[in-house]
Order: sequence, then structure tokens, then C-alpha cells
Amino acid sequence: GENVEQHPSTLSVQEGDSAVIKCTYSDSASNYFPWYKQELGKRPQLIIDIRSNVGEKKDQRIAVTLNKTAKHFSLHITETQPEDSAVYFCAASMGGSYIPTFGRGTSLIVHP
Amino acid sequence: EADIYQTPRYLVIGTGKKITLECSQTMGHDKMYWYQQDPGMELHLIHYSYGVNSTEKGDLSSESTVSRIRTEHFPLTLESARPSHTSQYLCASSEYEGRGGYNEQFFGPGTRLTVL
Repeated sequence: GENVEQHPSTLSVQEGDSAVIKCTYSDSASNYFPWYKQELGKRPQLIIDIRSNVGEKKDQRIAVTLNKTAKHFSLHITETQPEDSAVYFCAASMGGSYIPTFGRGTSLIVHP
Repeated sequence: EADIYQTPRYLVIGTGKKITLECSQTMGHDKMYWYQQDPGMELHLIHYSYGVNSTEKGDLSSESTVSRIRTEHFPLTLESARPSHTSQYLCASSEYEGRGGYNEQFFGPGTRLTVL
């Protein structure tokens, strides 16, 4: 089955810095890669996703890049703000299976 | 408003009790899931369903059971709760998006269970 590795487990940055979270996956058949943000005491919510036919996608301060050859994808957050502090989960799934495999999560702490 | 609802939000019970965690969605989704998550930790899939009368076990071994009699309802039952079941339980749903089968998941607010 699919295996998703996520690094780092904890990331501490100063407000205004950039943050990068990296994930690798094992199954080359995976074609959908969502990122979820979970604030303390809240439910996970999708913040951005990317499909295998796209190399990069941006939405304001966040972007995701995908390297299918190397089987890794990354979340980039620029100009971090304290409200970006949360746990971020990457996931990978194959079209038709509907069962995503999640990474273990990254706790992002943005210091004011 | 379309959403996923879970009840109760918090539950404290004694060992050996039978409990049912409720999950309902008004999003019209076919696929539903149950995850177990310790605070801030990884998400463990314990059950999922592709639609009515479909239930499957997930990656994490669980002593719970689920049923899917109606599209919108996916309850999880623990026949005999133990302290090791103390955790947060998240319900989620998703829908097919075109031929690619991409599946953003929408999560409920969770039930925080404590077994004494």
C-alpha cells in the first residue's frame, strides 16, 4: 500500500519567515495530494491540493509543488503569520480508491 | 448549510459501557470515514464506507463497529469501552469529483472520548 513520510515533525519560525514542509510517497499510481490544516481544538480543513498533472499551484501565501519523478511534494508558506500556527497534514491517494494515506503531521509554530 | 455533525462532542464514561458515536452529513456525499486521533497527532483510519450497506475496516485495528443504513448517517459503536479507547474520533466524508476520482475530505468537529 501507499506510504507517506512527512518532515519535519515540528517547525518553528519567526513571523514573516517562510516555512516549507516536505512529504514523500511510495506509490507512483497516487495522483491527488491534498494538504490539511488543523488548528488547536479544531477539525482538519483542506487548504490546498494538487493533482498529478500539475507541477505547482499557488493560493496567495501558500503554494504546493509536486515532483512525480522523485515522488515528493512540498507545502510552502510565505510571510508567515501567528495564525498560521497549526498542525499541517499531507496526504496522497489514487483516483478511484478514495482512501487517502496521511503523513504524520507537522506542528508549525510562528513566533510573533 | 451543508456540514458534518458529530454528537456528542465530549463523552466521559466508565469501563465496560456500550457507546455509540453519531455522525451525520448533509453534504450528499457517498463516502464516509472514521479516524482516531490523539490531540495534535497523526490521523488513524479505523473504518470507511463507499455507500449504503458498505463498510470496511481501516489501517488501525479497532474494536469498534460501524453501520451505513442511510447515506447521511455513519454511527460508530464500541460494545465495551476501555481506557485504551480514550481519544478523539473524527468523522469525515468525501465525494467523487470527475473521472480522476479526486477526493477532498470534509471533517466533522470530532468527539472527545474519555474512558475511566
